[in-house]
Amino acid sequence: GIQVEQSPPDLILQEGANSTLRCNFSDSVNNLQWFHQNPWGQLINLFYIPSGTKQNGRLSATTVATERYSLLYISSSQTTDSGVYFCAVNTGGFKTIFGAGTRLFVKA
Amino acid sequence: DGGITQSPKYLFRKEGQNVTLSCEQNLNHDAMYWYRQDPGQGLRLIYYSQIVNDFQKGDIAEGYSVSREKKESFPLTVTSAQKNPTAFYLCASANGGTSTDTQYFGPGTRLTVL
Repeated sequence: GIQVEQSPPDLILQEGANSTLRCNFSDSVNNLQWFHQNPWGQLINLFYIPSGTKQNGRLSATTVATERYSLLYISSSQTTDSGVYFCAVNTGGFKTIFGAGTRLFVKA
Repeated sequence: DGGITQSPKYLFRKEGQNVTLSCEQNLNHDAMYWYRQDPGQGLRLIYYSQIVNDFQKGDIAEGYSVSREKKESFPLTVTSAQKNPTAFYLCASANGGTSTDTQYFGPGTRLTVL
């Protein structure tokens, strides 16, 4: 089955810093989503981005489907950005495959 | 407000007991999902339902059972056959359940076996 690898596994930032999270996948995908899981466990959709670039405030994402990777950019990080960021892909059908996540801690 | 609710937030179970986790959505979504998350790991699919009275096993269905009698409800029962049930359980829903649909998640239930 498809493999989804996220890097880095852990990231510590000073408030105000920028960061790039990466998601590599091993096969073609119909769907790619980025989620943020807050410290209480709630998962929030950030982007639905099987290809192209999207921006939402301080966050933006780019997926290069032909090269099988996606990037999530966080600019001017805030303490509330802390948590785990997941990349999830779907190759068709009902099953979504999640990566192991990038754990982000933003220091005040 | 539209959304997905899960209850209880925390659940403690003795070994050998069955427990049922509730998941309700008022988004009028057809598809619903149950995932398990272990510490430091991603989500793994337990069961999936695309329509009422129909559901399919995911990657780790052994020791779990579900029902889908109503569109808005998809309860998960963790049976005594599940060898290591302590985990965080997340329910999700999607409009059509196809590969291009966005999934929306509930707040989760933390199950601990004593």
